[in-house]
Amino acid sequence: EVQLVESGGGLVQPGGSLRLSCVISGFTFSDHYMDWVRQAPGKGLEWAARTRNRANSFSTEYVASVKGRFIISRDDSKNLLYLQMNSLRTEDTAVYYCVRALYDGIRYYHDYWGQGTLVTVSS
Amino acid sequence: DIQLTQTPSFLSASVGDRVTITCRASQGINNYLAWYQQKPGKAPNLLIYAASTLQSGVPSRFSGSGSGREFTLTISSLQPEDFATYYCQQLENYPLTFGGGTKVEIK
Repeated sequence: EVQLVESGGGLVQPGGSLRLSCVISGFTFSDHYMDWVRQAPGKGLEWAARTRNRANSFSTEYVASVKGRFIISRDDSKNLLYLQMNSLRTEDTAVYYCVRALYDGIRYYHDYWGQGTLVTVSS
Repeated sequence: DIQLTQTPSFLSASVGDRVTITCRASQGINNYLAWYQQKPGKAPNLLIYAASTLQSGVPSRFSGSGSGREFTLTISSLQPEDFATYYCQQLENYPLTFGGGTKVEIK
């Protein structure tokens, strides 16, 4: 059974840092691209970051609003995905989902999602 | 960035109704579009990818169509468990973007 379990959310002051973790099981983590998608309270979905697999040099992509502040990374030996969040802003308040990307031969779609972890940025 | 406009943003329907949701892209995205269902307090669930391919385990009453800039999600006969919010997502370019969502509620 595929499982993605996030942790590390909580309350942080503006300007602070937080590191989210996601432990993966039930599939070969190292084969897959992985993403973080977030959802502000009562709002829609926003894709935040992607890490590709080793075959693609673990290269990354970010939405402009987090680029330079957030870092996505992975430890394939431990089946862990991370999101290091620095210089946090109130607008970063959201539930953060760890998401597996399914490859259909052309593009990557989000087929498995974790339950999410809430990050609240407030003074 | 590619903008996705979903219509309607809110839909009231009855069990058994045929429901159609539209997603329009600000530029052509080939067929690189997905549809997700989200229930309150839960993570989204992939329904359709590549515009029209049904994800494994998703009931056949869900279908997707379209290419280029206009796409539709159709539920052929709405069931009680289908009351939820639906999102489209484009995979053509970074940043990946989602539509604003369509909330389907019971009439």
